[in-house]
Amino acid sequence: KQEVTQIPAALSVPEGENLVLNCSFTDSAIYNLQWFRQDPGKGLTSLLLIQSSQREQTSGRLNASLDKSSGRSTLYIAASQPGDSATYLCAVKGGGSNYKLTFGKGTLLTVNP
Amino acid sequence: EPEVTQTPSHQVTQMGQEVILRCVPISNHLYFYWYRQILGQKVEFLVSFYNNEISEKSEIFDDQFSVERPDGSNFTLKIRSTKLEDSAMYFCASSPSERKQFFGPGTRLTVL
Repeated sequence: KQEVTQIPAALSVPEGENLVLNCSFTDSAIYNLQWFRQDPGKGLTSLLLIQSSQREQTSGRLNASLDKSSGRSTLYIAASQPGDSATYLCAVKGGGSNYKLTFGKGTLLTVNP
Repeated sequence: EPEVTQTPSHQVTQMGQEVILRCVPISNHLYFYWYRQILGQKVEFLVSFYNNEISEKSEIFDDQFSVERPDGSNFTLKIRSTKLEDSAMYFCASSPSERKQFFGPGTRLTVL
């Protein structure tokens, strides 16, 4: 059974700092990995999707990497802003399923002005 | 940009009542999903739906739950007899292929 873990559970940084969020998964037979952002009481906004054959994806100040063999992904946020404050979720598809995403519990990021 | 929409945004019901949560997926998408998130916990997969049938379901998705695509645009989740532990945020998602899933804003279900 696929398990996804995110470390740290919470992170507080001053504005302008670069930061890294970590995600690990137990079954490396994945199809893809998605990073989401969730604001309090809101839905999930997809940030980046990495296919299993890819090593990284970039969008603006965000860069996600994938090391499938070691079961790890990182989300790098450059020059953080207070508007980046949210919970960041990692989700993987695969490990025996063609359809479902298995989510981590998320990292709550607070960027202080 | 097209979005997944869900109604209602908040539903309050009495234990034992039936509820129907509604979703309008993105129009050219073929795969549809329901997930739920109990407060403070992980987002959990419930069911996926493709080609007018369930393609996969989790152990949570028991006989109390059903899904339907009654017309070309709506996708619904029915809970026949709600329990207190069904209180959660329910998210609908859709995707054009087996790749990226696009999520709606969620319906908060409160069972009293």
